Amino acid sequence: AQSVTQLDSHVSVSEGTPVLLRCNYSSSYSPSLFWYVQHPNKGLQLLLKYTSAATLVKGINGFEAEFKKSETSFHLTKPSAHMSDAAEYFCVVSEPSGTYKYIFGTGTRLKVLA
Amino acid sequence: GAGVSQSPRYKVTKRGQDVALRCDPISGHVSLYWYRQALGQGPEFLTYFNYEAQQDKSGLPNDRFSAERPEGSISTLTIQRTEQRDSAMYRCASSFGGGTGELFFGEGSRLTVL
Repeated sequence: AQSVTQLDSHVSVSEGTPVLLRCNYSSSYSPSLFWYVQHPNKGLQLLLKYTSAATLVKGINGFEAEFKKSETSFHLTKPSAHMSDAAEYFCVVSEPSGTYKYIFGTGTRLKVLA
Repeated sequence: GAGVSQSPRYKVTKRGQDVALRCDPISGHVSLYWYRQALGQGPEFLTYFNYEAQQDKSGLPNDRFSAERPEGSISTLTIQRTEQRDSAMYRCASSFGGGTGELFFGEGSRLTVL
């Protein structure tokens, strides 16, 4: 069965500095991978997705992620954090194993300091 | 509709009562998912449908939980004999299907069991 591990429950960065949110996955098949963002008291919004095309995926608001099969990782990065990036971020895996469950990680709360 | 609609948005009930949560997915979306999200946690998979067929119910915690999607559109998640531990945000999502596409989430139904 597929699973994801988000290695940090909380990350704090200063405004204007790079963001790195780490995600490792486990899958018996070629997975699809996603990052979702959840702002306080809001719904879940897709940031980006990997579905076996280019390994470097660009998303909204300047975020990108790189699929590294050898490391089973899909880390989320952004070159320069903005105050509005403060939110909860979820890494998600889906695998084509007959039932397409989307499994969420436990989340990383990003805090951006002025 | 324009987006995924869930009702009620807030539900307070007494322990032992039954509750029904409704989800109206985006028109044309084949797949419909139910998740439960506790405070500070990631969404936990409960069940999902393709059209009217329940494809996977492995995430339903016990037999007090059930879900249906009789006409392949609106879905209802029913919790019988509610317990305090059932208190959570229940989120519905829909997609075009296939496991590689974006999940579109509703605003959620917050259930509080007293």
